[in-house]
Amino acid sequence: AQTVTQSQPEMSVQEAETVTLSCTYDTSESDYYLFWYKQPPSRQMILVIRQEAYKQQNATENRFSVNFQKAAKSFSLKISDSQLGDAAMYFCAYRSRGQGGSEKLVFGKGTKLTVNP
Amino acid sequence: ETGVTQTPRHLVMGMTNKKSLKCEQHLGHNAMYWYKQSAKKPLELMFVYSLEERVENNSVPSRFSPECPNSSHLFLHLHTLQPEDSALYLCASSQEVDRGLGFEKLFFGSGTQLSVL
Repeated sequence: AQTVTQSQPEMSVQEAETVTLSCTYDTSESDYYLFWYKQPPSRQMILVIRQEAYKQQNATENRFSVNFQKAAKSFSLKISDSQLGDAAMYFCAYRSRGQGGSEKLVFGKGTKLTVNP
Repeated sequence: ETGVTQTPRHLVMGMTNKKSLKCEQHLGHNAMYWYKQSAKKPLELMFVYSLEERVENNSVPSRFSPECPNSSHLFLHLHTLQPEDSALYLCASSQEVDRGLGFEKLFFGSGTQLSVL
């Protein structure tokens, strides 16, 4: 079974600085998806960024980028120019590709990010 | 208006009560999910409905009973719950591209915070 580990329960960053959140996963599959979700105090989980394992190029979405190291099974999230609105719980998630039918996301326990003004 | 709406936002119930959680998605998706989010634990997938058919029941106790009357609505009926069932219950939806290829991403609601006394 796949597992996702986020080793940092909490992180903090100064506004306008850069922060990196860590995520590692365990799988025997070669093709899969990886996601970072953000959960602000409103509680709604919002997709931040998505990476397909067969793509070597790291995904980017504006101030958010990932460092995907497939051999090391590592998928870290970098937030540049941090803003107060980035404060939230961040969840790393894994999904197999092409299972068909019931698609499961396996989540990590999350990292709480605080942004200091 | 968000794409996935959950009601109620908060619910307090006794162990002998019967209540229902409601989820509605306005995105035209064909799959819906119930997740349980407890403190200090990863999100747990409870149920998956694809094309209104339950395709996943992740070893959930029978005191939780899902219902999916159509592709836009999902319910979670609760009865004789235990205090350890207190958690945030999140609904999500997705569009399955194909049963063999699965979805691209989940869209979540803001959850129902359930307290069982």
